[in-house]
Amino acid sequence: EPEVTQTPSHQVTQMGQEVILRCVPISNHLYFYWYRQILGQKVEFLVSFYNNEISEKSEIFDDQFSVERPDGSNFTLKIRSTKLEDSAMYFCASRGLAGGPEKETQYFGPGTRLLVL
Amino acid sequence: LAKTTQPISMDSYEGQEVNITCSHNNIATNDYITWYQQFPSQGPRFIIQGYKTKVTNEVASLFIPADRKSSTLSLPRVSLSDTAVYYCLVGPRNNAGNMLTFGGGTRLMVKP
Repeated sequence: EPEVTQTPSHQVTQMGQEVILRCVPISNHLYFYWYRQILGQKVEFLVSFYNNEISEKSEIFDDQFSVERPDGSNFTLKIRSTKLEDSAMYFCASRGLAGGPEKETQYFGPGTRLLVL
Repeated sequence: LAKTTQPISMDSYEGQEVNITCSHNNIATNDYITWYQQFPSQGPRFIIQGYKTKVTNEVASLFIPADRKSSTLSLPRVSLSDTAVYYCLVGPRNNAGNMLTFGGGTRLMVKP
C-alpha cells in the first residue's frame, strides 16, 4: 500500500535555528497538508497546498513558516527561526482526487518529532 | 465546522465489541462523518466515513441515526493492538483545501 514518508524522524535544534522538515506524499496525490501535535494535545492543522500554492492556513502558520514543493515528489515545511513552543510532532498528509471516501481522505505520514532547545 | 463531543476514554477487554459514540448536534446537510485512529507517535489513520444509516468495512462499522446528530463507531472483537485514540470528525467531503479539525478523541485501552 502506498504511504506518505517523512524525514527526519527526529530533529533536535537550537532556538533561533532554521529547520526544514521533508515529506514525500503518495505519488498520484495532488493535495498536501501539514499538521502538528504538541505532546499530549490535539492534532492541529497548519497549512494546505494545491497547485503550487497555499489553499488554506491556520493562525499558527505565521511568517516563520513556509512550505514548498521543490520538485515533483517532495513537500517541505520550513521554520525560519524556531521557538521553544515549536517543539511538537509534525505530520505531513496528502490526498487524492474525488472518487469516494478512501480516495478523498487524507493519508498521514509517520511524523517528525521536533525538539527545540 | 460542526463541534463534536466524544468520551475522553474507554476501557475494554480483548474479544469484546467496542462502541464509541460521537455527538454532533449542529451537523450541516453537506457534512460527512469520518473516524480516524491514532497510535502513539504515529499519524492519524482513516478508518471509516459515512453520511447516513450504516457503513461497514473490513475494520469497523459506522452507525448514523436518521437525524445524524450522533454517530457510533463499532469495533468488533477488539485486540490489544486496537489500543489507540479514536477521533470523530465532521465536515464536507469534497473540499479540496479542506483541513481536518481534530478534537480530543477517545482514548481506547484494550486490556488482556
